[in-house]
Amino acid sequence: DGGITQSPKYLFRKEGQNVTLSCEQNLNHDAMYWYRQDPGQGLRLIYYSQIVNDFQKGDIAEGYSVSREKKESFPLTVTSAQKNPTAFYLCASSTRVGNSPLHFGNGTRLTVT
Amino acid sequence: DAKTTQPNSMESNEEEPVHLPCNHSTISGTDYIHWYRQLPSQGPEYVIHGLTSNVNNRMASLAIAEDRKSSTLILHRATLRDAAVYYCILRASNFGNEKLTFGTGTRLTIIP
Repeated sequence: DGGITQSPKYLFRKEGQNVTLSCEQNLNHDAMYWYRQDPGQGLRLIYYSQIVNDFQKGDIAEGYSVSREKKESFPLTVTSAQKNPTAFYLCASSTRVGNSPLHFGNGTRLTVT
Repeated sequence: DAKTTQPNSMESNEEEPVHLPCNHSTISGTDYIHWYRQLPSQGPEYVIHGLTSNVNNRMASLAIAEDRKSSTLILHRATLRDAAVYYCILRASNFGNEKLTFGTGTRLTIIP
């Protein structure tokens, strides 16, 4: 079955460590997105990519980095520069056509102590 | 970026219809209106989308205002499983560099 996979589901890290969240899709989608969600809040866009080897900052990119070396993969690194990294992180993918739905993964819950 | 605004929360009785509004006054002529819903601790799931005409699918109906500056997601007979946060977003129809932003959505509570 085609889909989008985020791993791991739960991640725990000590403050000051970088951590990379995985996002893989086998839907042959060109566009991929990373969102952050805090308790009781909406989704905020961190980074997005429309094609391989290209990506743009979203609204809250500071303290995060991404790469898009393969069409299927869009990993997100939460760096030590991110002041409040504890959150629920969601990855999504889509074709680049406006009448196509976004497909979301089930998220990674990151806790930094 | 075109933005949407939705009420923070709504309540509805079980087995009654629910009308969830969304305002998008800066919508461009080629933007699609999408709706998603999110259950606790899960990723959002696609519900429905439309451009100009009203749309129906097995999950819901989408009513789009004639001027396209607002839309309404209609759940015809709410069940407890429809309790979720509902998001309305706009998607450009072309292949531009699309920065997809979500608002805070509407938290729908279903009263048994």
